[in-house]
Amino acid sequence: DAGVTQSPTHLIKTRGQHVTLRCSPISGHKSVSWYQQVLGQGPQFIFQYYEKEERGRGNFPDRFSARQFPNYSSELNVNALLLGDSALYLCASSLVRTGYNEQYFGPGTRLTVT
Amino acid sequence: GQNIDQPTEMTATEGAIVQINCTYQTSGFNGLFWYQQHAGEAPTFLSYNVLDGLEEKGRFSSFLSRSKGYSYLLLKELQMKDSASYLCAVRDNAGNMLTFGGGTRLMVKP
Repeated sequence: DAGVTQSPTHLIKTRGQHVTLRCSPISGHKSVSWYQQVLGQGPQFIFQYYEKEERGRGNFPDRFSARQFPNYSSELNVNALLLGDSALYLCASSLVRTGYNEQYFGPGTRLTVT
Repeated sequence: GQNIDQPTEMTATEGAIVQINCTYQTSGFNGLFWYQQHAGEAPTFLSYNVLDGLEEKGRFSSFLSRSKGYSYLLLKELQMKDSASYLCAVRDNAGNMLTFGGGTRLMVKP
């Protein structure tokens, strides 16, 4: 079975631009979470989606938004990019939303804002 | 609020045992996870604790004390491939999010 997939792998954008990152969860997984990982730090939670609804939101500005599609894939959108948005964006999927369930991480999208 | 602390870096010798500590102060608790992350790669799941005590899984063990807000990851018979960052993460009560510590970069030397 394929693991969590993310696209693109790398991306370079200019300040003020908009970016869309994509994630496909493991087949059968209905929960997708997004994390931002700045170099040298641990991942920071951005969003969780379950059954196409937002179930959790971290401490990120409204420039960050996301959605989940009927096939459970997800997109993370970031508007008005800032230099500080440069990071590795990780997507994680899990079978269910709560209870003991391991989150499986994708390889990430490395975003560089110049 | 959520606060998770772990040492920034540790060094150990191949074949030895190393213990990586994690302390947490969180407004909610629904389990503690340990992940391994090699440079440039995604985190991979190592262990999960929700009750006090020790969970053993091969060369890796994880311990939790909820009353002390403390966990550790124990790695035995260290191998060079264990050189990586180790992330401690706490899940909130609603089960919606993981809050990660900054990670401990472990260097295993011959």
